[in-house]
Amino acid sequence: QVQLQESGPGLVKPSGTLSLTCTVSGDSISSNFWTWIRQPPGKGLEWIGYIYHSGTAYYNPSLKSRVTISIDKSKTQFSLNLSFVTAADTAMYYCSRVNSYGAMDVWGQGTTVTVSS
Amino acid sequence: SYELTQPPSVSVSPGQTARITCSGDALPRHNAYWYQQKPGQAPVLVIYKDTERPSGIPERFSGSTSGTTVTLTISGVQAEDEADYYCQSSESSGPYEVFGGGTKLTVL
Repeated sequence: QVQLQESGPGLVKPSGTLSLTCTVSGDSISSNFWTWIRQPPGKGLEWIGYIYHSGTAYYNPSLKSRVTISIDKSKTQFSLNLSFVTAADTAMYYCSRVNSYGAMDVWGQGTTVTVSS
Repeated sequence: SYELTQPPSVSVSPGQTARITCSGDALPRHNAYWYQQKPGQAPVLVIYKDTERPSGIPERFSGSTSGTTVTLTISGVQAEDEADYYCQSSESSGPYEVFGGGTKLTVL
């Protein structure tokens, strides 16, 4: 059974960097795409970006200048860094697997990140 | 920027059929996916590649496509189907993914 688990600080200061990690179990991280999605309180889903096991990453153009997604196959983890955060980056952050059909078929439970001083 | 347009809300009585639409110019060229999200929970995939249903998803969930619109149909709606539903697809100039704004399904 594939499981994903997000981890990282729940509070980040404005202008700081948000850093989250997604740990994958039950599947090889050396296949599929792996993706990050966020959801501000009371709002809809926003795709942040995804990474392939080769390390090639693609980002939402609206966030591209501030986002880096990386992968660590030895730890079966992939990570999200979002720099220069503001209150608008306060959200629930989810990691997910993108399967061979392009579907986000397995999701983590999500982790809440609040940007505040 | 590319957008997928969904109605904000749909209401149906139990046992009726709910139809949720999603419109976007690139939908004829890219697969669409549908996710169900209940309060306090992560989204769950209910339809992939426009019309395919993952294992474990009830048969009352189906997807269809026509031109620039894809539709999620829930036949014989049950109280447990009350949730937010999101469509998702790709943008041609990408690769990048886009979600619709979401539709709140209310079971009366």
